[in-house]
Amino acid sequence: SQQGEEDPQALSIQEGENATMNCSYKTSINNLQWYRQNSGRGLVHLILIRSNEREKHSGRLRVTLDTSKKSSSLLITASRAADTASYFCATASYSGGGADGLTFGKGTHLIIQP
Amino acid sequence: EAGVAQSPRYKIIEKRQSVAFWCNPISGHATLYWYQQILGQGPKLLIQFQNNGVVDDSQLPKDRFSAERLKGVDSTLKIQPAKLEDSAVYLCASSLGRGRDTQYFGPGTRLTVL
Repeated sequence: SQQGEEDPQALSIQEGENATMNCSYKTSINNLQWYRQNSGRGLVHLILIRSNEREKHSGRLRVTLDTSKKSSSLLITASRAADTASYFCATASYSGGGADGLTFGKGTHLIIQP
Repeated sequence: EAGVAQSPRYKIIEKRQSVAFWCNPISGHATLYWYQQILGQGPKLLIQFQNNGVVDDSQLPKDRFSAERLKGVDSTLKIQPAKLEDSAVYLCASSLGRGRDTQYFGPGTRLTVL
């Protein structure tokens, strides 16, 4: 079953604008990760934020995590055409026995218009 | 550093046939994952290995899917017999260790079952 739910499902903006995607999840987590997937290609890891962190930055990316609301957001600033892709949030919850496979949402499809 | 390698990249088979996918993780990565990504959805974990032992296979349809990781390095995922609903991209990922590490994904194998 899907744990994360991204919002919106699709987003189209002009190049240079900022893009914000949200993710909500249901159970307690140890960390939350954001991935990018270009059409027909594998997943590229963008950023990992741990449950005891509230905000992280990486280049043009800013991720926030609110564990009380079970939600996260990904902000891409000064968007570029190359940012066109699907973006997924994925949560990791460590269980007994060491299982830590990621649970993904359905993704947000981002289109950057030139 | 070489990434996660997968082969083949594409496979087309008829229902009831068998198929196998191969994955070579990043050198030194002890943990290996197989995910299934159906079109329009996020990846779903099928199985997780730690070295050559299975950590989590709770979402693996064991009546038709099997996986092994001999010698704790390469892994194969097999489907026998395939069904139409198995059409998906099969992604392999690896990480240094359990629990707190980024998962790195391979390019995936796109399976079409006719």
